[in-house]
Amino acid sequence: AQKITQTQPGMFVQEKEAVTLDCTYDTSDPSYGLFWYKQPSSGEMIFLIYQGSYDQQNATEGRYSLNFQKARKSANLVISASQLGDSAMYFCAMRGVGSQGNLIFGKGTKLSVKP
Amino acid sequence: DTAVSQTPKYLVTQMGNDKSIKCEQNLGHDTMYWYKQDSKKFLKIMFSYNNKELIINETVPNRFSPKSPDKAHLNLHINSLELGDSAVYFCASSQVPWGAGLREQFFGPGTRLTVL
Repeated sequence: AQKITQTQPGMFVQEKEAVTLDCTYDTSDPSYGLFWYKQPSSGEMIFLIYQGSYDQQNATEGRYSLNFQKARKSANLVISASQLGDSAMYFCAMRGVGSQGNLIFGKGTKLSVKP
Repeated sequence: DTAVSQTPKYLVTQMGNDKSIKCEQNLGHDTMYWYKQDSKKFLKIMFSYNNKELIINETVPNRFSPKSPDKAHLNLHINSLELGDSAVYFCASSQVPWGAGLREQFFGPGTRLTVL
C-alpha cells in the first residue's frame, strides 16, 4: 500500500530565510509521482511542484525546489526566501502509475512565516 | 475561465437532510475525483470517475452517491446527512492514464459542509 508521512505538524520560519518541509513515502510501484500542494487559510489547494520517480534532476519551480532522495524515499520541499504569504498548510502527495490517478496525501505541515 | 468549479462553496444544513454538491471542469480531462478533508485537515479520496464510469469507491457510506452525467461533470449527492459528514469536499480532475505526461491534478475551491 502507498503511504505518505509528514512528521512536522507545524513549522516556524523567519521571513526571507529558507525552510525545508519533510516528506517520506512508501510504495511498491516502480514508477510514481510526488506532489506538493499549498493550502492557504482561504482553503483552496494550490499545486506547487511535481517530481517523477524517473526524473534525473530535482524539480524546481521558482522559490520551490524538491529534494528528491529516491533511496531514502524522501521528497522534501525547500522554500527559499520565505515570504509572509507562504504561511499555509503544505501537503505532500503521491500517485502511483498503478493507481487510478488519485492522490494519496500526507497529514500536512502548517508553516508559519514570522516577520 | 475557472478550471474546476464547485457549487455551493458553503452548505449549512440540518441532520437528516439530503444535499448535493456540483462539480464541473473545463480542462477536457477524462477523470474526476471527490476528496474529503476532515476537521484535522486530512485529505482522503472518496470516489473517482473515468469517462462517466466509477473506478474508485473507497469505504464510504452508501448515503454518498456520485453521479457523472458527462465527463465534465461529477456531482455528489448525500442522503440522510449526519454530524460526522461535516467536512470540506474537494472535487478534482486529471488526465489518466498518468503516463500520458500530464501530471497535475487540479482541484476545485472546495465546499464546506456543516451539518447541524
